[in-house]
Amino acid sequence: EAGVAQSPRYKIIEKRQSVAFWCNPISGHATLYWYQQILGQGPKLLIQFQNNGVVDDSQLPKDRFSAERLKGVDSTLKIQPAKLEDSAVYLCASSLALKSSYNEQFFGPGTRLTVL
Amino acid sequence: ELKVEQNPLFLSMQEGKNYTIYCNYSTTSDRLYWYRQDPGKSLESLFVLLSNGAVKQEGRLMASLDTKARLSTLHITAAVHDLSATYFCAVGNFGNEKLTFGTGTRLTIIP
Repeated sequence: EAGVAQSPRYKIIEKRQSVAFWCNPISGHATLYWYQQILGQGPKLLIQFQNNGVVDDSQLPKDRFSAERLKGVDSTLKIQPAKLEDSAVYLCASSLALKSSYNEQFFGPGTRLTVL
Repeated sequence: ELKVEQNPLFLSMQEGKNYTIYCNYSTTSDRLYWYRQDPGKSLESLFVLLSNGAVKQEGRLMASLDTKARLSTLHITAAVHDLSATYFCAVGNFGNEKLTFGTGTRLTIIP
């Protein structure tokens, strides 16, 4: 079974530039998550999708971050404009569905973003 | 707001020794996860604990959950170098699955 795919793996940009990350979840997984992991910290949830609908985006900085999952499969996360404090690893995860008894999340390899 | 605390944050131990990592959380939750992260890698799921008193074991790692005390432990038995990694606990709830992660415990096993 193929895992969660993410690209690019690394990205270096200057502040005020824009950047986009892509995620392809495990086939059949209805729920998709984007996390931000700052160096030395645990991952923090940014946004959670169920199929193509947003379940929780309460911690997404909406003035600069946006995410979509138009067809309920792939997802993109965009930052525009980037700030220095956005330097982090952006992790995508997927799980079968909400409200299942064993809703384990599987994580992709992450995209390491450096903002200069 | 749910807070998840782990201790210790850093742990250096010799091979062959036993030790325990603790995970405390501040509000009622009905599932707890343990993940492992190697440097520069993503998170690997180790255990999912779903009920009070749940205990799961895999090799030299054993996880337990006490929902009344809001405490989970990850016990390492006879540590080997391959277990060196950062270990995270994360707390979620049925039907929501918004995971709140702890700060992580960086474990280093010294030969």
